[in-house]
This record gives sequence, structure tokens and C-alpha cells, in this order.
Amino acid sequence: DQQVKQNSPSLSVQEGRISILNCDYTNSMFDYFLWYKKYPAEGPTFLISISSIKDKNEDGRFTVFLNKSAKHLSLHIVPSQPGDSAVYFCAVTYPQVSNYQLIWGAGTKLIIKP
Amino acid sequence: DAMVIQNPRYQVTQFGKPVTLSCSQTLNHNVMYWYQQKSSQAPKLLFHYYDKDFNNEADTPDNFQSRRPNTSFCFLDIRSPGLGDAAMYLCATSRSQGTSGRPAQYFGPGTRLTVT
Repeated sequence: DQQVKQNSPSLSVQEGRISILNCDYTNSMFDYFLWYKKYPAEGPTFLISISSIKDKNEDGRFTVFLNKSAKHLSLHIVPSQPGDSAVYFCAVTYPQVSNYQLIWGAGTKLIIKP
Repeated sequence: DAMVIQNPRYQVTQFGKPVTLSCSQTLNHNVMYWYQQKSSQAPKLLFHYYDKDFNNEADTPDNFQSRRPNTSFCFLDIRSPGLGDAAMYLCATSRSQGTSGRPAQYFGPGTRLTVT
């Protein structure tokens, strides 16, 4: 069973508009939520995160929203730029002392059209 | 400035010939991870080190081993690579828990392994 789902394999957005990437999860015990961006042939790059005690975190053009009742996470990018074209992964963590495993979604490929 | 460095970026090995991939970090993070990533799937955690403590994932094949001689370096050894082991191998680091918030993992650029 997939614990973290990114239901859209790809998303196409016009440059300058808002990109909204979504992620759903199943376990209410997850305590930390992260977004990573990945270009081809490179490792993932950490973008932004949010703790389960918050519902919004903002960093420049990137804002992450957490809706715990719906078990839903979203990443908003505004305005979208051509350099934002990449695969975006959401990832979550368990509150276990010795387990640092990230549980990953399958990724969403974002394409920014000029 | 590179913070997590992986060498080489591309590695070709023969079927069954042992290969070692290396990772170094300048972040002084005490947790280091090795992941395997195939095509555009999510990275799959193979194992991680918390300081010198080695933590193997239950489904990591015995063919994969790791060494961490000091804080800065970590190695992935594939004892007998098969065709199915061709993938991108990613090293990542993080601080330990106990500091403010959950520590993010910082990834290196990866090593693309080809098995012929």
C-alpha cells in the first residue's frame, strides 16, 4: 500500500502562473513533510518542509500547505519560472527515534511552458 | 560549493565485478544514507549510518554493503553487480534529530551505474 501518493504524474503550467503540486498521505502519525525537486541526472534538492503542528510554511516563491484533516499536502509555486521544470517529490517522516527513513511519493513532473 | 560529493558521477562495471561508489560531505552531518533510484521512480533507501551505527533496510540485498570510516566519508560496495543493479545511486546526509524540527536530507548528485 502506498502511504504517500502523488496522483498526477505530470503537470503543465504557463510561465508566470501558479503551479500547484499535490500529495496525499494515509497515516496521521507522520510528523514532518518535505518537498524535493529533481532535475534529470541529478540528486534531489530539498525545497521546503513543514511540521505537522503547522498548516503553512512559506519560502520565497514556494509555499507548502498542510491539511491534516484531509491528510493532504500541497506545494504552490508562484510565479512559475522555466527553471522550475523538474520532477517534484513529496516525502514524509515517522516520529521514530532511530528511524530516519523518508517515505516518498512517486513524483510529479512539472513542465513550465514559455 | 558542493556539500555532498559523489565520485565517480558515472561508473561502468561488468556483470559480477565488484564496484565501490564513494560519497563525502562537508556538512559535518552525523547521518549518511545510500539510496538507489531507477528511472524517475522515488529513491529507495538501502541503508543509513547514524554516526557509526549501521542500519540496513530489511529488503536491501546482501549484495550491497557499506562502510563509513569517518564522519565525512561513506562507501557503497556492490559485491557482484547484476544487470538489475544498474541505477542511479544517491548519497544523502542529515543532522540527527533532537535539533529544531525534523532534519532535511541533502543529496549528492548521484552516481549513474551501468552494468555490462
